[in-house]
Amino acid sequence: QQQVRQSPQSLTVWEGETAILNCSYENSAFDYFPWYQQFPGEGPALLIAIRSVSDKKEDGRFTIFFNKREKKLSLHITDSQPGDSATYFCAASVWATGGNNKLTFGQGTVLSVIP
Amino acid sequence: EAAVTQSPRNKVTVTGGNVTLSCRQTNSHNYMYWYRQDTGHGLRLIHYSYGAGNLQIGDVPDGYKATRTTQEDFFLLLELASPSQTSLYFCASSLDWGGYAEQFFGPGTRLTVL
Repeated sequence: QQQVRQSPQSLTVWEGETAILNCSYENSAFDYFPWYQQFPGEGPALLIAIRSVSDKKEDGRFTIFFNKREKKLSLHITDSQPGDSATYFCAASVWATGGNNKLTFGQGTVLSVIP
Repeated sequence: EAAVTQSPRNKVTVTGGNVTLSCRQTNSHNYMYWYRQDTGHGLRLIHYSYGAGNLQIGDVPDGYKATRTTQEDFFLLLELASPSQTSLYFCASSLDWGGYAEQFFGPGTRLTVL
């Protein structure tokens, strides 16, 4: 049972366009949502993250929009660049220390940016 | 200079074979993890550890053993490899065990079981 779901599985945009990657979750206890970026041949790396007390987190061209009521979030990449081509993983966890606070990852979205 | 390294990077074995995947981190992190990555499933946690000699069971532990010999070194053992264990394996480390703790990943080991 996939607790964190991502859509679409793959996305192709032109350079300069805005890419929108979607994520939803089931567990209402989740309150921390990091996005990891993975380039081919490399391991994932933290890109940006949001806590459920916020509805928006921005870092340069990357913005997370969060809707707690609907248990949905999205990652917007504005002015997409070919160097943004990667797999993006949405993950979820409970912010607090201790307990079973492991990261639960979604299936990933493969983004291709065409020059 | 890489903080999390894995070896080998590629491994081919046969069904029933014995495989050991190695991971070393130089981050001075307390926690280390083993994940497998499969298309359609994302990253799934196999085992993790919060220090030398400690081992915790993850979400998909069947068929895997692990051992943390030092703070730096974490090994994943497949004693009777099966084709279903063909996958891309990642090791990661983090300073803390909290949902907020950033995990730092190695470059991965691609394992093929024939």
